[in-house]
Amino acid sequence: EDKVVQSPLSLVVHEGDTVTLNCSYEVTNFRSLLWYKQEKKAPTFLFMLTSSGIEKKSGRLSSILDKKELFSILNITATQTGDSAIYLCAASIYNNNDMRFGAGTRLTVKP
Amino acid sequence: DGGITQSPKYLFRKEGQNVTLSCEQNLNHDAMYWYRQDPGQGLRLIYYSQIVNDFQKGDIAEGYSVSREKKESFPLTVTSAQKNPTAFYLCASSISGMGQKLFFGSGTQLSVL
Repeated sequence: EDKVVQSPLSLVVHEGDTVTLNCSYEVTNFRSLLWYKQEKKAPTFLFMLTSSGIEKKSGRLSSILDKKELFSILNITATQTGDSAIYLCAASIYNNNDMRFGAGTRLTVKP
Repeated sequence: DGGITQSPKYLFRKEGQNVTLSCEQNLNHDAMYWYRQDPGQGLRLIYYSQIVNDFQKGDIAEGYSVSREKKESFPLTVTSAQKNPTAFYLCASSISGMGQKLFFGSGTQLSVL
């Protein structure tokens, strides 16, 4: 059965800390790994990763995929209170119009 | 501004009642999706549609129905057969099929009276 597991489920840090969010996946015919940020209601797209070892960066956020070990990490450096959100990862599958989502990591950044 | 609009934001269903959640997009995307989000669980796919007048069941389609009469619109009906409808419902779209990044609406919270 295809599954995506995120850890930790919940994380509380202080402003300025660096955090690493984990996403492991077991899916057949893996196509890509996507990260989304859900602050209040609508998830917004962060990254899509298809190749191993190539880091994607956007400001203080970065992500990398390891297709051999079947996981991805999302790093956030110098966290701010505005980073508080649920971070979702999802694995898309070839020849299958579905995307398996993890349960999410709820990040709380305290001032 | 282009985007996805879901309405209403909050909806209450009585026993035995069917309710319809609206989803409209002006992004000119071909594909549209409905997901259900429960606390502590990942998003689960209810239905998706890649083209007008065609849609496919996701993992948890039982008790739900959809239509895709226009490219812009993909309403979801939660029927009385769905015994546990309380959840947060998200509509999404993508340029083409799955594997592309999804654009989400702001969701509808459905509760049972």
